[in-house]
Amino acid sequence: NAGVTQTPKFQVLKTGQSMTLQCAQDMNHEYMSWYRQDPGMGLRLIHYSVGAGITDQGEVPNGYNVSRSTTEDFPLRLLSAAPSQTSVYFCASSSASGNIQYFGAGTRLSVL
Amino acid sequence: GENVEQHPSTLSVQEGDSAVIKCTYSDSASNYFPWYKQELGKRPQLIIDIRSNVGEKKDQRIAVTLNKTAKHFSLHITETQPEDSAVYFCAAGGFQKLVFGTGTRLLVSP
Repeated sequence: NAGVTQTPKFQVLKTGQSMTLQCAQDMNHEYMSWYRQDPGMGLRLIHYSVGAGITDQGEVPNGYNVSRSTTEDFPLRLLSAAPSQTSVYFCASSSASGNIQYFGAGTRLSVL
Repeated sequence: GENVEQHPSTLSVQEGDSAVIKCTYSDSASNYFPWYKQELGKRPQLIIDIRSNVGEKKDQRIAVTLNKTAKHFSLHITETQPEDSAVYFCAAGGFQKLVFGTGTRLLVSP
């Protein structure tokens, strides 16, 4: 039981490049979320999903896309990376009955 | 939408003292209030949570109180130890969506 797995752990992009941050969970959780963490800003919700095929926007969705084709996977896509997207990204999952969110180890992204 | 404010942003205490961190929220529909601890370079980890039908919850040296009328909740750590040093986040929301506070950096000096 690996919990929530994020890849890659580190990534450097150039402005305008695109990439996908991967997130997978093996706990059969219905809910999954993506957060970004910036110094002094706490964790801000980007997008979330309540089940396969269902996604919704969080506080800071601009510049990011998500999809949820399976219960296990919830990838986050940066369409055209900008320096303002330099951050640490955390994926989290929780069950519909439990509320407790389990976080992945994070992806540290730098956009030059 | 929900807005969560957290105070103080930094807190320094001596080992053995108590520490209190306070949060306020804006959305009366929020029914779940977790607290996370994050050590440097690590992922946030849940330390305690409380639901809106409970006023207080305790787990060893950690307790959380909730005042729904005033829309605020607090984390209490007693007999602090150096290993309690970390950043603590409160959050408020519902089953699928949480809004986090901006964090409190707790430093416990030996």
